[in-house]
Amino acid sequence: GAVVSQHPSWVICKSGTSVKIECRSLDFQATTMFWYRQFPKQSLMLMATSNEGSKATYEQGVEKDKFLINHASLTLSTLTVTSAHPEDSSFYICSAPGLAGVQETQYFGPGTRLLVL
Amino acid sequence: EDQVTQSPEALRLQEGESSSLNCSYTVSGLRGLFWYRQDPGKGPEFLFTLYSAGEEKEKERLKATLTKKESFLHITAPKPEDSATYLCAVLLSGGSYIPTFGRGTSLIVHP
Repeated sequence: GAVVSQHPSWVICKSGTSVKIECRSLDFQATTMFWYRQFPKQSLMLMATSNEGSKATYEQGVEKDKFLINHASLTLSTLTVTSAHPEDSSFYICSAPGLAGVQETQYFGPGTRLLVL
Repeated sequence: EDQVTQSPEALRLQEGESSSLNCSYTVSGLRGLFWYRQDPGKGPEFLFTLYSAGEEKEKERLKATLTKKESFLHITAPKPEDSATYLCAVLLSGGSYIPTFGRGTSLIVHP
C-alpha cells in the first residue's frame, strides 16, 4: 500500500524555538494532505488541510501564524510550529487521501512526538 | 451537527473471547465509513472502508459491518497482538476528503 513518512519521529526543543515537521508521500502524489494533533488517549484533531501550490485551510481555533504549513510539491508538506511553548507538546500526524485497491482511505504517517521544555 | 460515537471507550478481553466494537454516526450524508487500528505512539493503520448499508468486509480475525446508523467491528477469537485502539471515521458526501473521527475504543487482549 501507499506509504507516508514523517520526519523527525520525535523532537525535544526549548520554549520559544521553532520546529519543522516534514510529511512525505513516498510512492504517490498528494495534492492534499492533512495535519492532525493527538493528545494522550484522545482522538485525532484536524488542524489544517494542506493544498499543493496554495494556502492551507485551517480549522477553527487553530492559529495559522503559529502553525505554518507549506505544501511546496506533490509529495511534501511541512508543518512549522513557531515559538513553541509547552502547551504545544503533542503527537502530530499527517495524512494523505488515497485508494487501497478500490477503497478510499487516508494514509497516515507514523507521527511526530513534540516535547517543548 | 455531524457526530461519530464509539463504544465502549475501553474493552478488555481474554484471548479467544470474541466481541464487537460499535461506531454510531449521525451525519447529513454518508459517503464512506473507515476503520483504523492505532498502536501506541504510531499513526493509524487502515483496515476497511464501508460504503453502503449491508456491506461487510473481513480481514483475518476482523469483520466490519455497516447499517444506516452504525458500524460494528467484530473481533473473532482475538489474540494479544490485536490489542490497540480502533478508530472509526466517516466521510461525508459532498466531495470533502476530510473524515470525522470518533474517540476510539482501546482494546486490550490478555493472554
